[in-house]
Parts: sequence; structure tokens; C-alpha cells
Amino acid sequence: EAGVTQFPSHSVIEKGQTVTLRCDPISGHDNLYWYRRVMGKEIKFLLHFVKESKQDESGMPNNRFLAERTGGTYSTLKVQPAELEDSGVYFCASSQDSGVSSYEQYFGPGTRLTVT
Amino acid sequence: AQSVTQLGSHVSVSEGALVLLRCNYSSSVPPYLFWYVQYPNQGLQLLLKYTTGATLVKGINGFEAEFKKSETSFHLTKPSAHMSDAAEYFCAVVYNFNKFYFGSGTKLNVKP
Repeated sequence: EAGVTQFPSHSVIEKGQTVTLRCDPISGHDNLYWYRRVMGKEIKFLLHFVKESKQDESGMPNNRFLAERTGGTYSTLKVQPAELEDSGVYFCASSQDSGVSSYEQYFGPGTRLTVT
Repeated sequence: AQSVTQLGSHVSVSEGALVLLRCNYSSSVPPYLFWYVQYPNQGLQLLLKYTTGATLVKGINGFEAEFKKSETSFHLTKPSAHMSDAAEYFCAVVYNFNKFYFGSGTKLNVKP
């Protein structure tokens, strides 16, 4: 079974540009999460999808970040326009639909975003 | 606000020595607790978790952790370190609605 995949693995962009990160969860997982780790600090929650609906987006830093999950499968996270402080590693995770299993999140390898 | 504290951003042990990575959480409500490991250039991999039941949980690669409610701790241990254990380890808690709170990570270095 394929794990959570993320694309690209690394992105370097200039301040003011736009970047779109993609996450493909494990097949059949209704829950999809985005997290971010900035400069060796803690990994912070960004948002949570249940199928195509945003369950919790309390961690989104500001309106320059837009997450979508059309059709309840893969998700994209767009940063527009990117700022220097957006640099970090963006992780995606997925989990099964309900019960205790929903707490066990499977993480992708992350996308390292560098804004110069 | 919920928080997770991992004491020591870097821990160095000799091969064969005991590994002890500390994790404390701030909450009066017992959460679900997790340890994840990240090897270089890889994603986070679940080591072990505590949800309910026995407070001493065993995970992969010989790691185990004990949930101590009175100390709000969930320290990770391994009796004998191996070179392949060198990685970054993250403690995480979740209360409701699947939102994880992570510690800042501990990089484990294993010396030959």
C-alpha cells in the first residue's frame, strides 16, 4: 500500500512568488492534515480536512495560505504571495475515518520550502 | 494553550547505552500520546502510541514509553542504543478532533 506522498520534495522560490504544494493521502483515508515546521521548531498544525470539507483551519497563518481538497482525494496548499517567514517543511498526514484509528496519522516525507 | 515539552534538543549516547528521551505535556486532561521518528530525508514514522489501557507501551525497534499521569510525562526509552537509532524524535499529543500538538523534537546521536 502506498503511503502519503508529497510533491515537490523541495521548492525554492523568491519572495512574492506563488507556490503550490500537493499531498496525496493513503487511499481511503478521509482525514487529511497539513502541518508546518519552521526552522527546527515544533511541528505546528495548519488544518484538517474530512473528505473535501475543512474541519479545522485554526492553524492557518494568514490569508496568503489557501488549502483545497477537491473531490476528497488529494489536497493542495497554495502560498500566494510567499514571504520569507513561510520557509520551512510542510508535512501532510492522513488517517482513517473514525474511532481510535483516526488518531493514528500517517505522515508524508514533507516539502521543504525555501523563500529567498 | 496545550503544549508539549521535549527536554534536550540534542541527546548523544554511546552505542549500547540506554536511550532516554523526555516528553512532558501540559494538560489536566489525559491526552492520547505518540512518539514519531524522522530519519534523514524521510517522513515521520510512528514509533508507538498510548490511547488507553496499559501505561507502558512497546513500539517498534525496541523502543518503549510509559505514560505517567501524575507527572504528565511520556518518556521514550530503549535499553541499548544502536547506530541505526540516530534520528530526530518527536513527542505528540492529541486531545480532540485529531489536532496534534508536537514537541520541538530531539535529535539523537549515537556514538560508536
